[in-house]
Amino acid sequence: GAGVSQSPRYKVAKRGQDVALRCDPISGHVSLFWYQQALGQGPEFLTYFQNEAQLDKSGLPSDRFFAERPEGSVSTLKIQRTQQEDSAVYLCASSPTPYGYTFGSGTRLTVV
Amino acid sequence: ELKVEQNPLFLSMQEGKNYTIYCNYSTTSDRLYWYRQDPGKSLESLFVLLSNGAVKQEGRLMASLDTKARLSTLHITAAVHDLSATYFCAVEEDSNYQLIWGAGTKLIIKP
Repeated sequence: GAGVSQSPRYKVAKRGQDVALRCDPISGHVSLFWYQQALGQGPEFLTYFQNEAQLDKSGLPSDRFFAERPEGSVSTLKIQRTQQEDSAVYLCASSPTPYGYTFGSGTRLTVV
Repeated sequence: ELKVEQNPLFLSMQEGKNYTIYCNYSTTSDRLYWYRQDPGKSLESLFVLLSNGAVKQEGRLMASLDTKARLSTLHITAAVHDLSATYFCAVEEDSNYQLIWGAGTKLIIKP
């Protein structure tokens, strides 16, 4: 597609519920990143894929967070047993080269 | 650990005025990025600065990079209301693909 597509755009989850957030990167982009942006703050790195390989997951806040990109294109970020502190905007970015990132519109997750 | 500091965090200014946003970072870096974010929207890439002394301009915005001082500036010339947004700088640490972000500068330009 023309840009990075994320779905759903908004998600309200009850505390303890599992959620799955989807990212469709730009076709052909090798690198894919997930960032978490809390209200009023800059994004924070979560994880990085190069094709289907997850090369860095050091930013995932806990073992409740899991990301995958099984075929090297679409990626899913899964959060198990959501907690209120997980409320944030989750941004996906893709890149064809060593630098230059295109961000999706994000998924705003609210845990109630 | 790489840290990125922006200032000011909030800026309210009149149309037609000039101002500068500063971005300091704590370690050596390959690349520095400036992004714009409108409320409820995603991040729009403005500039990528790749080397010491790099200067890039687009319309009323000009960005520069001084890697020796570990400082980048985003200068706004003759501000217009449409430039109201939050501006972020992000730094890519040497040999590391992670972007470390500043807290953002919320810019309000009054007509």
